[in-house]
Amino acid sequence: DAKTTQPTSMDCAEGRAANLPCNHSTISGNEYVYWYRQIHSQGPQYIIHGLKNNETNEMASLIITEDRKSSTLILPHATLRDTAVYYCIVRVASVGGADGLTFGKGTHLIIQP
Amino acid sequence: DTAVSQTPKYLVTQMGNDKSIKCEQNLGHDTMYWYKQDSKKFLKIMFSYNNKELIINETVPNRFSPKSPDKAHLNLHINSLELGDSAVYFCASSQGGGAGTEAFFGQGTRLTVV
Repeated sequence: DAKTTQPTSMDCAEGRAANLPCNHSTISGNEYVYWYRQIHSQGPQYIIHGLKNNETNEMASLIITEDRKSSTLILPHATLRDTAVYYCIVRVASVGGADGLTFGKGTHLIIQP
Repeated sequence: DTAVSQTPKYLVTQMGNDKSIKCEQNLGHDTMYWYKQDSKKFLKIMFSYNNKELIINETVPNRFSPKSPDKAHLNLHINSLELGDSAVYFCASSQGGGAGTEAFFGQGTRLTVV
């Protein structure tokens, strides 16, 4: 799986959009970008994933650059409950496979009241 | 209903003991995993089971052994516990590894070896 680079920490004001960047310059054509987060003392939680196109769900939006070398996770209206460590993971979505997730250090997002 | 549940939530034990952590998922998934999160907060995969076969076994000591009595359960047995085994252990499940696969994690078991 390709390596990812994320800022160690970020602050965002409550109610504003939180934009979390991720660099994955060595991503290959069959690798997806996944985002998970881990709220303190809880298990990781899936947020969103994408291959080429931008994606949106009830939690967040994922913007992937055209060259796929970087992406941004957007939490449109951050709340205090969004304070967590956010992990950007690049992996091959192999059919029938079960290769698990490789977590990096992630970005500690702190939402300020 | 909790999708992935682990028991116990906390486990304190002495060095040299043997212990087990249980995991159950009610999502009907065919793949289950165990992850370890150490004191520096790094999350690393330990095992995964797919259709009762071990798919991944990372560089984990053979004191650790996953056991799956059925598709909904993947228990973690640890023999001869050592101080360095102290960590938070997370169980997870997913439906295969195809596109759109998302993993669901349990709440973790904090193991403290004294």
